[in-house]
Amino acid sequence: EVQLVESGGGLVQPGGSLRLSCAASGFTFSEPWMIWVRQAPGKGLEWVTNINQDGSAKFYVDSVRGRFTISRDNDKNSLYLQMNSLRAEDTAVYYCARDGKPHAADSWGQGTLVTVSS
Amino acid sequence: QSALTQPASVSGSPGQSITISCTGTSSDVGGSNSVSWYQQYPGKGPKLIIYEVTNRPSGVPDRFSGSKSGNTASLTISGLQAEDEADYYCRSHTGSSAPYLFGSGTKVTVL
Repeated sequence: EVQLVESGGGLVQPGGSLRLSCAASGFTFSEPWMIWVRQAPGKGLEWVTNINQDGSAKFYVDSVRGRFTISRDNDKNSLYLQMNSLRAEDTAVYYCARDGKPHAADSWGQGTLVTVSS
Repeated sequence: QSALTQPASVSGSPGQSITISCTGTSSDVGGSNSVSWYQQYPGKGPKLIIYEVTNRPSGVPDRFSGSKSGNTASLTISGLQAEDEADYYCRSHTGSSAPYLFGSGTKVTVL
């Protein structure tokens, strides 16, 4: 069974940093692209970033480019999101997902809440 | 990068069919067959129900179907059931530096 478990969320002050982790199991982690998607409270889904199989290609939504960094460790079956210079508008549930179908996320984690507030 | 446009809400009675639209541009929906649809219940992570415009993952009922015409993709739910009450999102590949975009989301209510 495919499982994705996010961790690392919490309360952080504006301008602060946080590192999210996503532990994967039940599939060959090194095979698919992986993505992070976020959802602000009461709002819709927003695609944030993705990374290819060996980490050599990464793409970001404009609002986080230069502040967030996606990475992966295929030996540890883990996906990461380093978030710096956090803003109030980054407050959201962050989901880790596997792009296991062509250009589609077929497995999702339960999400981890990031709250940016003073 | 504005979200793809979906109706905020759609409703129907049990057994009826409803259609949710997802409108973009020739740079995303219109220029891509990489449109997918997701179902999300409150407090839960999304679930993939359609990929590559028309394909259903295994386990997804055939009541769910997808299509596309021009810059608009559509999700149709036939034989609406109470359990279909949820939020639905489309997602499309784009030609921009941020390669994917979600729709604004549609709340489906079963009357």
